[in-house]
Amino acid sequence: GESVGLHLPTLSVQEGDNSIINCAYSNSASDYFIWYKQESGKGPQFIIDIRSNMDKRQGQRVTVLLNKTVKHLSLQIAATQPGDSAVYFCAERKAAGNKLTFGGGTRVLVKP
Amino acid sequence: NAGVTQTPKFRILKIGQSMTLQCAQDMNHNYMYWYRQDPGMGLKLIYYSVGAGITDKGEVPNGYNVSRSTTEYFPLRLELAAPSQTSVYFCASSVQASPGNTIYFGEGSWLTVV
Repeated sequence: GESVGLHLPTLSVQEGDNSIINCAYSNSASDYFIWYKQESGKGPQFIIDIRSNMDKRQGQRVTVLLNKTVKHLSLQIAATQPGDSAVYFCAERKAAGNKLTFGGGTRVLVKP
Repeated sequence: NAGVTQTPKFRILKIGQSMTLQCAQDMNHNYMYWYRQDPGMGLKLIYYSVGAGITDKGEVPNGYNVSRSTTEYFPLRLELAAPSQTSVYFCASSVQASPGNTIYFGEGSWLTVV
């Protein structure tokens, strides 16, 4: 079946360190891969996306890497801050219907 | 702009009761979605709509119904509530075929069926 999943359910990070969140996907037909951040009691918030024909994309303190050979997606957060504590989801988008398929989520806990 | 607005925020239902989760968006988006999120899990698509008068099933449509009579509103109906429908429900909207950064989510509706 088509699915997007994550390797690690919880990631504890020291404040100031870099965080790496991983995600595996199985559907090669998706045109975008997206990372969302979800804080407690709120809806998902867009972080960054990457088109399927790209390998890397950088944003502010975040970088997304896409390895299509092994169907792997990662999110790197530089200099992790307490405000980065949240659950992070990867998702893939199929252009038809603009539908998102979400993975299971990784909780990031930032230790002071 | 209010964005995507969902009501109610919290609701407790008894088994067999029915209710409607309301969703409204003021961005004139033609695409709207309903997702559910179980504890510790990602969001799963229930139903979606690509425009007024058009709806289609997502991954987990059983037990739900939707309607889209106008661009702004996309209510989700639970006819016979079951404990398995205890979840957090998110409504979302987007313009047609837009990438992830233009899919806007509401704040969620917490539903408990007892």
